[in-house]
Amino acid sequence: QSVLTQPPSASGTPGQRVTISCSGSGSNIVSNAVNWYQQLPGTAPKLLIYSNNQRPSGVPDRFSGSKSVTSASLAISGLQSEDEADYYCAAWDDSLNGWVFGGGTKLTVL
Amino acid sequence: EVQLVESGGGLVQPGGSLRLSCAASGFTFSSYWMSWVRQAPGKGLEWVANIKEDRSEIYYVDSVKGRFTISRDNAKKSLYLQMNSLRAEDTAVYYCARDRRLPLRYMDVWGKGTTVTVSS
Repeated sequence: QSVLTQPPSASGTPGQRVTISCSGSGSNIVSNAVNWYQQLPGTAPKLLIYSNNQRPSGVPDRFSGSKSVTSASLAISGLQSEDEADYYCAAWDDSLNGWVFGGGTKLTVL
Repeated sequence: EVQLVESGGGLVQPGGSLRLSCAASGFTFSSYWMSWVRQAPGKGLEWVANIKEDRSEIYYVDSVKGRFTISRDNAKKSLYLQMNSLRAEDTAVYYCARDRRLPLRYMDVWGKGTTVTVSS
């Protein structure tokens, strides 16, 4: 059971906007920034969003992140077939003194 | 090009040991924290351990404390994970990742991973 909670699956049709949620607690999401990773099938995770809403160079602006008090969200607009992947949220946990991840959300493009 | 390359994975019997290595290139290795993250077959990501630039701070997930040891050699630009008393539940792909700290915390560069299988 993961420390951060994500829905196991999400889906959308090409061109649609989808959001993936990530909830946590005071020692992780409340206290620290949230990062998002994309894992395409058979590949290593790739940093998608850092510090709640920042995009690394090369990540399309179709991807955006936000954070409220105890939860965060990843939004993907203009959904494309190549966005089909697993998405993970992560945050540092001050109580565990370690990184914690969500269980991952499998995004299907219908 | 910034790159991390893991090696050392393989098949090991329960109770056995294995040492993973991660070779860094394209950046100043000695200026960054580093982490190991694993992924069991069909499962999600699990952070395993990390180590500060100068080795003065080290953290582990509870499930590996006392069995795994993370270390680094800045002169060789290498990160290591010594895994002892291996269990079936340690079977996973192990990734090393650059672990950025200040002013923002995130793991931004990942290797392709090395597979560890614990089985008799």
